[in-house]
Amino acid sequence: AQSVTQLGSHVSVSEGALVLLRCNYSSSVPPYLFWYVQYPNQGLQLLLKYTSAATLVKGINGFEAEFKKSETSFHLTKPSAHMSDAAEYFCAVRGTGNQFYFGTGTSLTVIP
Amino acid sequence: NAGVTQTPKFRVLKTGQSMTLLCAQDMNHEYMYWYRQDPGMGLRLIHYSVGEGTTAKGEVPDGYNVSRLKKQNFLLGLESAAPSQTSVYFCASSSGGTGGGAGNEQFFGPGTRLTVL
Repeated sequence: AQSVTQLGSHVSVSEGALVLLRCNYSSSVPPYLFWYVQYPNQGLQLLLKYTSAATLVKGINGFEAEFKKSETSFHLTKPSAHMSDAAEYFCAVRGTGNQFYFGTGTSLTVIP
Repeated sequence: NAGVTQTPKFRVLKTGQSMTLLCAQDMNHEYMYWYRQDPGMGLRLIHYSVGEGTTAKGEVPDGYNVSRLKKQNFLLGLESAAPSQTSVYFCASSSGGTGGGAGNEQFFGPGTRLTVL
């Protein structure tokens, strides 16, 4: 069975500070992992994805994530937070039968 | 390309009323999905389809029905709405597949905000 756990439903950082959003996965097969961002009153937009090509994945808007098999983690980071990064972030894993399993989300607040 | 579109954007129903939400995609994707999003619960899969004419139950299918008569459309029906179905509904599509296609992501629509009184 596949699942993801996002630690921290709310994260606050100062503008210019490091952003770290945590995601741990459970998968019985090599996982395909995704991070999505959701801005208020909008749908989800893909930030980046891991498909086994490289363990460090770069996405849009300066975000990146590192796949660590030994830790079953796929944490999302950004070196310097911007006010426009305030949003809800979801980690997801692709399961069998092309189903996707989402975490409960992390709301990021950026403090000016 | 419009991507994934959803109709309507907002709807208010009374308990017991019925309605249909329409999802359309113009990317020729095989897979389509309906999710509901509730505070603190992330996205939960209601039903999905792996191709035209097919449907399957997801995590929370009770109270909903779906149909995929055309590849580009995926309809979600509520036969007798209940207040517990107040939520934001998202449709998504994916090209899916195996091998290199297994890493293909989902594309989401803008959502439908449904309130059941």
